[in-house]
Amino acid sequence: QKEVEQNSGPLSVPEGAIASLNCTYSDRGSQSFFWYRQYSGKSPELIMFIYSNGDKEDGRFTAQLNKASQYVSLLIRDSQPSDSATYLCAVNTHSSASKIIFGSGTRLSIRP
Amino acid sequence: DADVTQTPRNRITKTGKRIMLECSQTKGHDRMYWYRQDPGLGLRLIYYSFDVKDINKGEISDGYSVSRQAQAKFSLSLESAIPNQTALYFCATSSGDTQYFGPGTRLTVL
Repeated sequence: QKEVEQNSGPLSVPEGAIASLNCTYSDRGSQSFFWYRQYSGKSPELIMFIYSNGDKEDGRFTAQLNKASQYVSLLIRDSQPSDSATYLCAVNTHSSASKIIFGSGTRLSIRP
Repeated sequence: DADVTQTPRNRITKTGKRIMLECSQTKGHDRMYWYRQDPGLGLRLIYYSFDVKDINKGEISDGYSVSRQAQAKFSLSLESAIPNQTALYFCATSSGDTQYFGPGTRLTVL
């Protein structure tokens, strides 16, 4: 089992709809959870982080964390073509708080 | 100027050659990382360093070595490059959990 799992996609969502990206992780001791966005040929950039169970909202983005289910998700409201990218879920490891494990990413495509 | 820079940005080399990829940062962070990215495999950690005297292997360190010359500089070496080391390489820095990535180096080993 991979430490951080994501559906590779592509996930196709119509413009203006809600895009839902999901991620599961295996280390129950993980404390920090991140979503990075990566445009093709570019470096990853952080868009959200979450530490506590529940929802965290930032503009059109909402991160959701459920530690009991070892599940973290990212919702993108009012999807725009500029949201088309690969989204990487990342989780810190219990053994080393600064060592982050990345999922393989979900490719999101917003269709006009 | 970019906070995290990588040189070269692109490199084509031949099997058996020694290659060095360099990373510099102006963010003042102690922690630096080297990752490689392959299609469908995401980012995989090669080596990481929490300060100048600290070097740690990541999940795929075989065939690679690193040097932390200063707080701001962390270089990755391939002593004898092989074709399956063809990938996109990223350097990153952090002061906590959030990582800041360089622009990447696209390496092709023929």
